[in-house]
Amino acid sequence: AQTVTQSQPEMSVQEAETVTLSCTYDTSESDYYLFWYKQPPSRQMILVIRQEAYKQQNATENRFSVNFQKAAKSFSLKISDSQLGDAAMYFCAYRTQGGSEKLVFGKGMKLTVNP
Amino acid sequence: NAGVMQNPRHLVRRRGQEARLRCSPMKGHSHVYWYRQLPEEGLKFMVYLQKENIIDESGMPKERFSAEFPKEGPSILRIQQVVRGDSAAYFCASSPSGVWRGYTFGSGTRLTVV
Repeated sequence: AQTVTQSQPEMSVQEAETVTLSCTYDTSESDYYLFWYKQPPSRQMILVIRQEAYKQQNATENRFSVNFQKAAKSFSLKISDSQLGDAAMYFCAYRTQGGSEKLVFGKGMKLTVNP
Repeated sequence: NAGVMQNPRHLVRRRGQEARLRCSPMKGHSHVYWYRQLPEEGLKFMVYLQKENIIDESGMPKERFSAEFPKEGPSILRIQQVVRGDSAAYFCASSPSGVWRGYTFGSGTRLTVV
């Protein structure tokens, strides 16, 4: 079974600075998707960024980018120019290509942004 | 498009009562997923349904929990004889059929069992 590990339960960053959130996963599959979701206090799950495992190029979405290391099974999220609105819980998630399309989530990491 | 609608937003039940959680998927979405989030935890998959069919219920507790997605109307997650350990946030997500491009999550229902 696939597992997702987020080893840092909390992090903080100064506004306008850069922070990196780490995530590792375990799988025997060769093709899959990886995601980062943001959950603010409103509880809404918001997709931040996704990465297909077959793509070597790291995904980017504005201030958010990933460092995908397939061999190391590592998938970190970098947030540049941090803003107060980035404060939230961040969850890393894994999805297999076939089957029931379910996601396996890590336990999450609480990000605090200091003004 | 109103997105994935879940209601109620908050639900309080006494031990032994039944809880019914509703999820209306996005317009045009025929796949529904239910996840549970315990305090200080990530989301855990419960069940995946398509219209009138349960596709994968491998994450559902064996007793007291059931789910349906009828031809007409919302998907329902039903918890019978609730216990304190059922207190959690329950999230619904939907996706269209065809090539999978990701979920859209609802805002969740927070169930509190007193």
